[in-house]
Amino acid sequence: NAGVTQTPKFQVLKTGQSMTLQCAQDMNHEYMSWYRQDPGMGLRLIHYSVGAGITDQGEVPNGYNVSRSTTEDFPLRLLSAAPSQTSVYFCASSLDRRTKKLFFGSGTQLSVL
Amino acid sequence: AQKVTQAQTEISVVEKEDVTLDCVYETRDTTYYLFWYKQPPSGELVFLIRRNSFDEQNEISGRYSWNFQKSTSSFNFTITASQVVDSAVYFCALSEGNTGTASKLTFGTGTRLQVTL
Repeated sequence: NAGVTQTPKFQVLKTGQSMTLQCAQDMNHEYMSWYRQDPGMGLRLIHYSVGAGITDQGEVPNGYNVSRSTTEDFPLRLLSAAPSQTSVYFCASSLDRRTKKLFFGSGTQLSVL
Repeated sequence: AQKVTQAQTEISVVEKEDVTLDCVYETRDTTYYLFWYKQPPSGELVFLIRRNSFDEQNEISGRYSWNFQKSTSSFNFTITASQVVDSAVYFCALSEGNTGTASKLTFGTGTRLQVTL
């Protein structure tokens, strides 16, 4: 099993550009989520999904879109990148409602100039 | 609203010292889960422990131990005989008990632990 795979690992964007951060898991996990990590602020939840076709907003959803067409994939789209979106992004998944243990991807470091 | 406070921003210890990382949480839920994650310099997040609100037993795993006290809303993490490999940022996190929110964790701001020789 590869676990949670995020691509790309690094990305530089110009203000106004759009892009999609990819996240895939091969553990048949029902729950998936996106977090951003900023210095001094810990990790903050952007969006999450409790199953294919179901998504919801987290703490900091503005400027991001998600969709969950399959159990395996949970891409995060930046619609019009802004310097405030410079951050490290983590995708995570969890097996079921009972365990609540999150498995994290290795992260994507995004810089918006 | 849920909140997790890790008041210690950075701790430096010499190898073999014991160190305790503090975590204080706030929640209105009677059922909730507490976690600790480790983020080594390589950047990945590693799960260390999960505790539910009905289980106040302290847990020990090798050099790691956790002290959960509902009376003070704290879930502290102690590393005994610290080693250089323990150098990392440690995050405490809280999840509500609702089974529909398994991916929703509220994280503290983290404590950076530096262990030197």
